[in-house]
Amino acid sequence: GAGVSQTPSNKVTEKGKYVELRCDPISGHTALYWYRQSLGQGPEFLIYFQGTGAADDSGLPNDRFFAVRPEGSVSTLKIQRTERGDSAVYLCASSSNGGLGETQYFGPGTRLLVL
Amino acid sequence: DQQVKQNSPSLSVQEGRISILNCDYTNSMFDYFLWYKKYPAEGPTFLISISSIKDKNEDGRFTVFLNKSAKHLSLHIVPSQPGDSAVYFCAASEGTDKLIFGTGTRLQVFP
Repeated sequence: GAGVSQTPSNKVTEKGKYVELRCDPISGHTALYWYRQSLGQGPEFLIYFQGTGAADDSGLPNDRFFAVRPEGSVSTLKIQRTERGDSAVYLCASSSNGGLGETQYFGPGTRLLVL
Repeated sequence: DQQVKQNSPSLSVQEGRISILNCDYTNSMFDYFLWYKKYPAEGPTFLISISSIKDKNEDGRFTVFLNKSAKHLSLHIVPSQPGDSAVYFCAASEGTDKLIFGTGTRLQVFP
């Protein structure tokens, strides 16, 4: 079946603008994760959903970042008042049920550039 | 504070030889460790994992070794193939879904 998909693949915006990044997990996967990868770094955890609820949002850097998953499938990461430091690749992953030992399958990412 | 460290940014190995990628961690509460592989313009792909109750896990050409006392793990690839050329990330978890990644090691396997 299809893997995790993310749209757009690339997004260029200006400082101060609002952006939305979308993630379509693997069909039937209840757990969904957002990570951010800056240049030269490994992926950094942002938030984890189990179903519709955020089970762990400890990685969101500040209140400009917000994510939703209203129907327990597609998720949207929203960034308000973007800053140049938000430029990174935003990765989404999903797993079957969540929990330790469950493989997280990653999408190709959205490359965000804030000018 | 980098809890998971990959001190070698790159590694070059001849085809057919062994590749050894290293990873160190500082958090003694980590109980699950993983290796992911990443090709350019793609998301990371799961490779192999190990629980803290084990010291070795093997899957085909890939073996992960865990030394808890040294807080060190390594990934061995034998024999190395050109298709193994990618960036390898070590990751760790403290009993939750939240993965903490290292900065990655770029492996190049040359003919």
